[in-house]
Amino acid sequence: DARVTQTPRDKVTEMGQEVTMRCQPILGHNTVFWYRQTMMQGLELLAYFRNRAPLDDSGMPKDRFSAEMPDATLATLKIQPSEPRDSAVYFCASGLGAQETQYFGPGTRLLVL
Amino acid sequence: QQQVKQSPQSLIVQKGGISIINCAYENTAFDYFPWYQQFPGKGPALLIAIRPDVSEKKEGRFTISFNKSAKQFSLHIMDSQPGDSATYFCAASFAGTYKYIFGTGTRLKVLA
Repeated sequence: DARVTQTPRDKVTEMGQEVTMRCQPILGHNTVFWYRQTMMQGLELLAYFRNRAPLDDSGMPKDRFSAEMPDATLATLKIQPSEPRDSAVYFCASGLGAQETQYFGPGTRLLVL
Repeated sequence: QQQVKQSPQSLIVQKGGISIINCAYENTAFDYFPWYQQFPGKGPALLIAIRPDVSEKKEGRFTISFNKSAKQFSLHIMDSQPGDSATYFCAASFAGTYKYIFGTGTRLKVLA
């Protein structure tokens, strides 16, 4: 049963600390997305990759957020320094191409105190 | 112009009733409209999708109705069940693109 995995599932940290979230896309999927979900803003696309190359990161606050794909089986999203307003659920999703189904992971629930 | 407006924000339906969620868009270049379903504590999952060359698509109890001239599309859940209680997101995308523009979501509660 192929699925997207994300770690950690929950993270509580203090303001100013670095946060790293990891995602393992479904094997063979070449497109990876990072989303942030909050009650106020809904689902926001932060960045996405095609064949490990970043295609669009315009949704990300550049000064503190960074996203990378060190290899085809790992995507990372880092926040440094973290702020309380970053508290949200962060989802990773993977897919096979344009307008193909996006398969979402279970999310990382982040709380920044 | 890239927004997708979704309503209502929340919906309560009796078991066996019909749930209707509406979405509207402005940009006529959108050509793919999926609906995603999200249960509490889970990631969204594709439920059903439609392209503008058809006016309706049905999968089991779930139907998308599409009105190209009005730039609106809606999800109908027939014979709604308590297990359908979830948040539903409509979305839209342009041809050849990877990114979806999501609506703000509708929280559906089906009463037993």
